[in-house]
Amino acid sequence: GENVEQHPSTLSVQEGDSAVIKCTYSDSASNYFPWYKQELGKRPQLIIDIRSNVGEKKDQRIAVTLNKTAKHFSLHITETQPEDSAVYFCAAKWVGDTGGFKTIFGAGTRLFVKA
Amino acid sequence: DAMVIQNPRYQVTQFGKPVTLSCSQTLNHNVMYWYQQKSSQAPKLLFHYYDKDFNNEADTPDNFQSRRPNTSFCFLDIRSPGLGDAAMYLCATSRDRGLNQPQHFGDGTRLSIL
Repeated sequence: GENVEQHPSTLSVQEGDSAVIKCTYSDSASNYFPWYKQELGKRPQLIIDIRSNVGEKKDQRIAVTLNKTAKHFSLHITETQPEDSAVYFCAAKWVGDTGGFKTIFGAGTRLFVKA
Repeated sequence: DAMVIQNPRYQVTQFGKPVTLSCSQTLNHNVMYWYQQKSSQAPKLLFHYYDKDFNNEADTPDNFQSRRPNTSFCFLDIRSPGLGDAAMYLCATSRDRGLNQPQHFGDGTRLSIL
């Protein structure tokens, strides 16, 4: 079955530096890759997503890249701020022609941004 | 404005005593999901409803059941909670099941088992 591996499990950066979180997936049929941010005690919230027919997508300080051949995708946060501190989850979603689908989450990366 | 509302935020039950967690949504979304999230782990999908169609994950224990009486409400029933069922339970919705259908999560219910 589909498996999503996420690295690193913990990431500590200085305010203003960049942070990169990487995920790999196993099922080549996966065609949608969302990223969620979960602050302590709060709900996961979608921050950016990418479809399999796109190689890169950017939204202000956040960008996601996708390499379908290598089956990996990455989250890039530039100019990090203390409020970026949270747990980030990647996910891979497979949607079939008959409407079936599956979403698998990575194990999460705890990001600490030090002021 | 909360769009996916879970009650209660914290639930304590006794070992083996049935418990029900509730979720409601104001988004009129077709799909509602229940996830189990243990400490420092990814959310794990238990099951979802696509309208009235129930879809169970293959590895979801029989101890977990769900009901969706109408579009707005969905319940998670744990028939005989064990210590290993202590976790955060997240409800989520999406408008449909297709691509680019983000999931909107509730704040979760943290379940403790005595």
